[in-house]
Amino acid sequence: DSGVTQTPKHLITATGQRVTLRCSPRSGDLSVYWYQQSLDQGLQFLIQYYNGEERAKGNILERFSAQQFPDLHSELNLSSLELGDSALYFCASNLAGTNTGELFFGEGSRLTVL
Amino acid sequence: AQSVTQLDSQVPVFEEAPVELRCNYSSSVSVYLFWYVQYPNQGLQLLLKYLSGSTLVKGINGFEAEFNKSQTSFHLRKPSVHISDTAEYFCAVSVRAEYGNKLVFGAGTILRVKS
Repeated sequence: DSGVTQTPKHLITATGQRVTLRCSPRSGDLSVYWYQQSLDQGLQFLIQYYNGEERAKGNILERFSAQQFPDLHSELNLSSLELGDSALYFCASNLAGTNTGELFFGEGSRLTVL
Repeated sequence: AQSVTQLDSQVPVFEEAPVELRCNYSSSVSVYLFWYVQYPNQGLQLLLKYLSGSTLVKGINGFEAEFNKSQTSFHLRKPSVHISDTAEYFCAVSVRAEYGNKLVFGAGTILRVKS
């Protein structure tokens, strides 16, 4: 158990809809990262937050947004969903500003868009 | 920019045989290196890491990796694999970013252990 919690574990929705994925980082971790994993794109970094502020952006679509709240949990919002958004979405956390960059991953949220 | 190349997308191997999963990185500075494993329908978990010191690093489940600075490699090895080692393995290098180090991942290698 990494200590990172993601909900929901599975989500099935239709094209055009909007969903919210939630992540609670490990206790004490200030930084949260979101990744998308799909068969054709592999593991793609989406966005990083540190103590409530956006710190780095990767291959995140404009239809996607994220935020980190004062209690450090984070949400990834996916809107106007397309079939190609079907993927496993991972959240990871670390203390940041440290160290080695080592990440602790949640179990992921599997999104299926029909 | 620093990058990671995993030279094999899939590695099939028979149970109890040895295996090596290859990883090369590009970096002109000191690096931290990691191997993560992803079992089916699970998240990524840390297998082992190289931060400094001995170039031979031992991890969980009998895996080990050797840091070779001159060849910029960090290959993962196990002398005898088990069916339960079937998973996807990701090599990662830590790079200096504006707000602390961040990981750059390779494309992954799927290890398929056959009986």
